[in-house]
Amino acid sequence: EAGVAQSPRYKIIEKRQSVAFWCNPISGHATLYWYQQILGQGPKLLIQFQNNGVVDDSQLPKDRFSAERLKGVDSTLKIQPAKLEDSAVYLCASSPARPGELFFGEGSRLTVL
Amino acid sequence: AQSVTQLGSHVSVSEGALVLLRCNYSSSVPPYLFWYVQYPNQGLQLLLKYTTGATLVKGINGFEAEFKKSETSFHLTKPSAHMSDAAEYFCAVSDLRGAQKLVFGQGTRLTINP
Repeated sequence: EAGVAQSPRYKIIEKRQSVAFWCNPISGHATLYWYQQILGQGPKLLIQFQNNGVVDDSQLPKDRFSAERLKGVDSTLKIQPAKLEDSAVYLCASSPARPGELFFGEGSRLTVL
Repeated sequence: AQSVTQLGSHVSVSEGALVLLRCNYSSSVPPYLFWYVQYPNQGLQLLLKYTTGATLVKGINGFEAEFKKSETSFHLTKPSAHMSDAAEYFCAVSDLRGAQKLVFGQGTRLTINP
């Protein structure tokens, strides 16, 4: 079974530039998550999708972050404009029906200079 | 709101020694509890989980954890550490209402000394 795919793995940008991350979840997983992991901290949920719909985006900085999940499969997370404090690893995860069993991708590491 | 506190951001043990990583949680409803492991430059991988039933749960790679409601704890143990256990370990909590949202602790980095 193929795992959660994310790209790009690494991205370096200047502050105020924009960036987009892509995620392809495990086939058949209805729930998709984006987490932000700042160095030395645990992952923090940014947004949770159930199929096409948003379940929770309470911690998403909506003035600069946006996310969409087209046709209930792939998802894109965008940051515009980026700030220095956005430097982090952005983890995508998907989940089947079993509670809490999230499957994570390898993450996209963002460095904002 | 749910939260998790992991005691000790860095734990170092000798190869063959007992591994003990501490996790305390806060939840207003009966929790689901999880341990995830993260190897360098990789995503998180589920080690084990407690939902209901037996309070001592066994996971992959010889790890186990015990849910103690009275102590609001879910500590992770392994009798004998291997070099390959060196990684970052995260405790997480979710609720039973099916939202499947995980709240993670800040992580504990485990170092194994030869």
